[in-house]
Amino acid sequence: DQQVKQNSPSLSVQEGRISILNCDYTNSMFDYFLWYKKYPAEGPTFLISISSIKDKNEDGRFTVFLNKSAKHLSLHIVPSQPGDSAVYFCAARGTTSYDKVIFGPGTSLSVIP
Amino acid sequence: GAGVSQSPSNKVTEKGKDVELRCDPISGHTALYWYRQRLGQGLEFLIYFQGNSAPDKSGLPSDRFSAERTGESVSTLTIQRTQQEDSAVYLCASSLGRAILQQYFGPGTRLTVT
Repeated sequence: DQQVKQNSPSLSVQEGRISILNCDYTNSMFDYFLWYKKYPAEGPTFLISISSIKDKNEDGRFTVFLNKSAKHLSLHIVPSQPGDSAVYFCAARGTTSYDKVIFGPGTSLSVIP
Repeated sequence: GAGVSQSPSNKVTEKGKDVELRCDPISGHTALYWYRQRLGQGLEFLIYFQGNSAPDKSGLPSDRFSAERTGESVSTLTIQRTQQEDSAVYLCASSLGRAILQQYFGPGTRLTVT
């Protein structure tokens, strides 16, 4: 049973516009969330994170929003650039192990020049 | 400094053979993770090592899978009697320690079982 869901397998956005990647989770005990970016033939790299005590965290062009009541978070990229084209994974801290992170299936973002 | 390295980068093996995948974490990172990513799917947790504690093996899919780690350095993931469904990219990640959630990933080993 998937605890971290990314229901859009892919997304296409024009360069310069906003990209919004969504993530839903089922476990209300998750207390920390992360986004990773993955290029083909490379390992994922950490992008941005948010604690459950916050509802927003911003880092340059990247902003993550957390809606705890809806068990939903989103990653906004503004403005989108062609180099942002990658697979984006949402992840959450698991409850069975304080050290373990559960990853979603990923969303493939294509930014069209 | 060096990142996480994995070897081999690609491995093709025949069904029924054993394979061994290697991960060299970032020096000083006490936590080490193995994940599997099948084609078109997300990252599937396999096993987690933290220092000298007993590893969390809860993600290993069958007893054909095992992993070891030497102290706080190299780890090997072994798959015995490989099956076609074992074909995937196997990713290793390390982090600074307990509850340090930001993980640094290696480039992965692409395993193809024919």
